[in-house]
Amino acid sequence: SFEVTQPPSVSVSPGQTASITCSGDELGHNYVSWYQQKPRQSPLLVIYQDDTRPSGIPERFSGSNSGSTATLTISGTQALDEATYYCQVWDSSTALVVFGGGTRLTVL
Amino acid sequence: EVQLLESGGGLVQPGGSLRLSCAASGLAFSSYAISWVRQAPGKGLEWVSLISGSGGGTKYADSVKGRFTISRDNSKNTLFLQMNSLRADDTAVYYCAKGRYSEASDAFDVWGQGTLVTVSS
Repeated sequence: SFEVTQPPSVSVSPGQTASITCSGDELGHNYVSWYQQKPRQSPLLVIYQDDTRPSGIPERFSGSNSGSTATLTISGTQALDEATYYCQVWDSSTALVVFGGGTRLTVL
Repeated sequence: EVQLLESGGGLVQPGGSLRLSCAASGLAFSSYAISWVRQAPGKGLEWVSLISGSGGGTKYADSVKGRFTISRDNSKNTLFLQMNSLRADDTAVYYCAKGRYSEASDAFDVWGQGTLVTVSS
């Protein structure tokens, strides 16, 4: 089955740019979505179809996907962006869904 | 406003069964595929199952195939997950999550608040 890998943690200073990666074989051939989850809350979709922001998601969130790596980029990171971020891949050939293990973003 | 509300979680013994429900409001329910996604305590998200908007198509993760059954009642805007032969590693918060299309889900744009299932003797 399809597998994707995320770094367990990323740290960033306030106002700087945070990049969170998601890696998998030929990942660029599949759509990738990203979710933000804060403690004791349900996940929130922040990027879908590699680079599209849902309504209400700040412009500082952006995404890309090419080759074997998808990247979530948060520009001008704020303290309120501290959360765990999950990538999710939809394998169109099997219609199955896979989540990455999650990356805890620390803003310090 | 689209809302999903899970119920039916609780404590169950290993080998037991439980049926989860997810009541939806604020959307044309039958127009969207819905998934169950679970999260074990302190762990990451794990996709469990998906059902198409019509209910005619279903998919399961290998970890639950043959033990869990997803279904929906579009007349009542409700999704179900029948869980049999439960094991300790099924212990998790179970979320229902709305897909963006009728037949499949490239992403989940609305999530419920989750219901906790604990499998323990």
